[in-house]
Amino acid sequence: DGGITQSPKYLFRKEGQNVTLSCEQNLNHDAMYWYRQDPGQGLRLIYYSQIVNDFQKGDIAEGYSVSREKKESFPLTVTSAQKNPTAFYLCASSIGLADYEQYFGPGTRLTVT
Amino acid sequence: GNSVTQMEGPVTLSEEAFLTINCTYTATGYPSLFWYVQYPGEGLQLLLKATKADDKGSNKGFEATYRKETTSFHLEKGSVQVSDSAVYFCALRGAAGNKLTFGGGTRVLVKP
Repeated sequence: DGGITQSPKYLFRKEGQNVTLSCEQNLNHDAMYWYRQDPGQGLRLIYYSQIVNDFQKGDIAEGYSVSREKKESFPLTVTSAQKNPTAFYLCASSIGLADYEQYFGPGTRLTVT
Repeated sequence: GNSVTQMEGPVTLSEEAFLTINCTYTATGYPSLFWYVQYPGEGLQLLLKATKADDKGSNKGFEATYRKETTSFHLEKGSVQVSDSAVYFCALRGAAGNKLTFGGGTRVLVKP
């Protein structure tokens, strides 16, 4: 079955620690995305990548970092500089950037205390 | 910039009731419009889409028509089921085509 996997489903961290969220896809998609979801605010784009070794900041990139060393993988690191990291994080992928459907993973709920 | 506004929830309905979720947008040019659905504890799934004015997207009994004159893309279903309980997101992809802009989501609860 093709799809997007995100692990773990729930993640807990202490304030001041960096944490990396995993996103893997076997859809052979070139483009991948990270969104943050907060109650009542919809989804906001953190970073996106059009192709391996290339990525661009989205609307709320501060306090986050990404890498795209392999086509299948797009990990997101939430750094200690992110002031309000507790949220639901969603990864998505699409064939390309322009005018293609985005497929979403099941999400990771991060709680930082 | 682009923006999407949708009605706040929660919307609580009885089974077999008619559902409407309003969505309006602001965008330059001719965006593509989408409705996504998020079931509890899951990611988003594309429900339907429309890529040009007067197009009607439909899926699983849901429909939405791209109305350029009113910049709207309201979601409707004639007879909801308990399994339709979810959060629904309206979204657009602008003319540049490189990212989606989402509305705040509308939670729908269908009671038996």
